[in-house]
Amino acid sequence: DTAVSQTPKYLVTQMGNDKSIKCEQNLGHDTMYWYKQDSKKFLKIMFSYNNKELIINETVPNRFSPKSPDKAHLNLHINSLELGDSAVYFCASSQDRLAGDNEQFFGPGTRLTVL
Amino acid sequence: QQPVQSPQAVILREGEDAVINCSSSKALYSVHWYRQKHGEAPVFLMILLKGGEQKGHEKISASFNEKKQQSSLYLTASQLSYSGTYFCGRETSGSRLTFGEGTQLTVNP
Repeated sequence: DTAVSQTPKYLVTQMGNDKSIKCEQNLGHDTMYWYKQDSKKFLKIMFSYNNKELIINETVPNRFSPKSPDKAHLNLHINSLELGDSAVYFCASSQDRLAGDNEQFFGPGTRLTVL
Repeated sequence: QQPVQSPQAVILREGEDAVINCSSSKALYSVHWYRQKHGEAPVFLMILLKGGEQKGHEKISASFNEKKQQSSLYLTASQLSYSGTYFCGRETSGSRLTFGEGTQLTVNP
């Protein structure tokens, strides 16, 4: 069974479109994350939710909106896609919100290409 | 502020050793190490929580020097399966992890 799953795996779309990426974890973890990995492989935190509560909201354009319907799911909606949004987006989860003491389990990633 | 990793890339022959360093200009409370193989997700290796702590995972080990604000990852007798990009992460305010830019390790036969 996959611990952290994401759909879709690949997403190719035109500039200006709106798209969503879904993430689910079956580990019973309380905390979930969205990371963006750019072409230079730099892995940067975007958002984090703990028990459906937003706890990390990095400086990202407000075109990006996370939503957590329950603690096992964290979705990412992106409005008005731009070329610079092309990247691999990783979902991750950890037992709780204390980053220092918790390993993070990453999903397989969603490669977003904006044309 | 992200930690600084060195070297940026290293190429080894199978069986050789390597050291990857991670340093921070700000206080390090904990250090995480992850490995990401090409086209895959990052995978957790280990966390070091205390200054002076050392940990090992098979032939991969790490140390944490809290005073120097740095951590080192040691890969001994490297195997082909060790190839990938290694990331260190430091805990910053708000319980977030800030990752370094990664060190690309290539192990050749």
